[in-house]
Amino acid sequence: GIQVEQSPPDLILQEGANSTLRCNFSDSVNNLQWFHQNPWGQLINLFYIPSGTKQNGRLSATTVATERYSLLYISSSQTTDSGVYFCAVDRSNTGKLIFGQGTTLQVKP
Amino acid sequence: DTEVTQTPKHLVMGMTNKKSLKCEQHMGHRAMYWYKQKAKKPPELMFVYSYEKLSINESVPSRFSPECPNSSLLNLHLHALQPEDSALYLCASSPDTGFDGYTFGSGTRLTVV
Repeated sequence: GIQVEQSPPDLILQEGANSTLRCNFSDSVNNLQWFHQNPWGQLINLFYIPSGTKQNGRLSATTVATERYSLLYISSSQTTDSGVYFCAVDRSNTGKLIFGQGTTLQVKP
Repeated sequence: DTEVTQTPKHLVMGMTNKKSLKCEQHMGHRAMYWYKQKAKKPPELMFVYSYEKLSINESVPSRFSPECPNSSLLNLHLHALQPEDSALYLCASSPDTGFDGYTFGSGTRLTVV
């Protein structure tokens, strides 16, 4: 099956710093999403981005489908950005999202 | 209403008990999902319902039994669980499979004793 690899596994930032999270996938996909899981377990959908670039406030994402990777940019990080960031892909629009192992982000005040 | 509501939030059950998890959405979504998440691991898909029909079962043991009574409601019936089944159970919905708008509930934290 498709492999989804995220890097780095852990990241510690000072408030106000910028960061880039990466997601590599081993095969073509029809669906790629980024999620943030807060410390209480709630998963929030950040971006639906099978290709191209999107921005939402301090967050932006880029997927280069031909090279099988996606990047999530977080600018001017805040303590509320802490949590786990997951990339998830679906090869054929079946609804079967395959999640990467996640990047655990800690933003210190 | 843009939420997926899961009840209960916490559940402790014995290995001989029968219990059910409930998930509800009123966004008109036609795809609904159950995921299982162990501590410090990513969510793993269990079941997909598309237009109220079971479309994917990821070889889940029969002690987990899903049910979709209508387009807004998804249940997960539990019986004879094992301690290793303790996990966070997440429900999600989307307008259809493979589209944007994937929304997760806050989960049921299940402990099997």
